[in-house]
Amino acid sequence: DGGITQSPKYLFRKEGQNVTLSCEQNLNHDAMYWYRQDPGQGLRLIYYSQIVNDFQKGDIAEGYSVSREKKESFPLTVTSAQKNPTAFYLCATVSSSGVAGYNEQFFGPGTRLTVL
Amino acid sequence: AQTVTQSQPEMSVQEAETVTLSCTYDTSESDYYLFWYKQPPSRQMILVIRQEAYKQQNATENRFSVNFQKAAKSFSLKISDSQLGDAAMYFCAGADSNYQLIWGAGTKLIIKP
Repeated sequence: DGGITQSPKYLFRKEGQNVTLSCEQNLNHDAMYWYRQDPGQGLRLIYYSQIVNDFQKGDIAEGYSVSREKKESFPLTVTSAQKNPTAFYLCATVSSSGVAGYNEQFFGPGTRLTVL
Repeated sequence: AQTVTQSQPEMSVQEAETVTLSCTYDTSESDYYLFWYKQPPSRQMILVIRQEAYKQQNATENRFSVNFQKAAKSFSLKISDSQLGDAAMYFCAGADSNYQLIWGAGTKLIIKP
């Protein structure tokens, strides 16, 4: 099946730990995104990548890091520098073919991160 | 910079009735794209409907339609014949000539049986 997988579904982190959230896609999409979702707020962009080995900071990149070593994978690391990481994290992809801005973003099922 | 505003944190509607969710999108671009996404309790984000700003005709997808008023920067979503499965968070989002979406804060839709 074509789609986006995120793992784990639930993740618990102790203070001072780094944790990595996985995002894998087999849609052959070039662009991938990481969003953070907090209650009562819309999605906020953490990082995005439009091609392999290249990525850009979004609006709330501080305390996060990413890599894009292959097209299918875009892992997000939540570092100890992120002071309030408890949130729901969504990974999305979009095709770069056609008109920029027109294509819909496809989303993974999300990872719920809780700091203990 | 673009901004997306959803001023209704929560809306409720009787099953089988019609409800309209509001959104405004402010941008200096003349060409852009607007989206409504649905996030049910499962939290899986799904595209509901898309509107291209240069098109005068409002988009329609079955029971879902938009009322796009470009001059007023308004992009509302109308859901007809509301069903229990429509209960969800609804997010309005906009994109101009790049691949980034700007998101509204969302509206929680409650369906009363």
